[in-house]
Amino acid sequence: DAGVTQSPTHLIKTRGQQVTLRCSPKSGHDTVSWYQQALGQGPQFIFQYYEEEERQRGNFPDRFSGHQFPNYSSELNVNALLLGDSALYLCASSTINQPQHFGDGTRLSIL
Amino acid sequence: QKEVEQNSGPLSVPEGAIASLNCTYSDRGSQSFFWYRQYSGKSPELIMSIYSNGDKEDGRFTAQLNKASQYVSLLIRDSQPSDSATYLCAVIGTGGGNKLTFGTGTQLKVEL
Repeated sequence: DAGVTQSPTHLIKTRGQQVTLRCSPKSGHDTVSWYQQALGQGPQFIFQYYEEEERQRGNFPDRFSGHQFPNYSSELNVNALLLGDSALYLCASSTINQPQHFGDGTRLSIL
Repeated sequence: QKEVEQNSGPLSVPEGAIASLNCTYSDRGSQSFFWYRQYSGKSPELIMSIYSNGDKEDGRFTAQLNKASQYVSLLIRDSQPSDSATYLCAVIGTGGGNKLTFGTGTQLKVEL
């Protein structure tokens, strides 16, 4: 039973560029959440998708957007990258009333 | 006041001892509480969930919840060097959905 899978594992971008991160949820899960984790901090909630709609959003600017596909997989897009966007981006999947399980993350470095 | 607070540590315990990790939260209406373990350079791994007052045991781990005091704790019995990691406390508050709010984590070091 495959867990949550994320791609790519690592990514290096420069300021002003755009990036797309991908996530496939664990089998049987229909809800995908995205988190940003800066070094030495706990993960910060970006947004959550359910039934292909953004259900809840954290305190992140509109440069951060997402999408959920009919097969429940999801993408996180970040435009106009800033140095401060360098972080570990985590995808978590769940189903109703069940805890969230995380993928291995995508480490994004902005030069 | 931070929504979820943890002592950043490091907390050092000798092998075989009990490690006690603590967490407080500010949203009094919170109903769901989780402990995640995160090894350096890895992603968080769920180790315990607790939803009602009292203790919940799973192997060497015991989660304790006191909603009146807005306090969650994790006890690790017979600590092993492999338990050395950062432990993240996470809470689902009253804002709807199941957004996790995390503390900054407590670094645990189990020494031989």
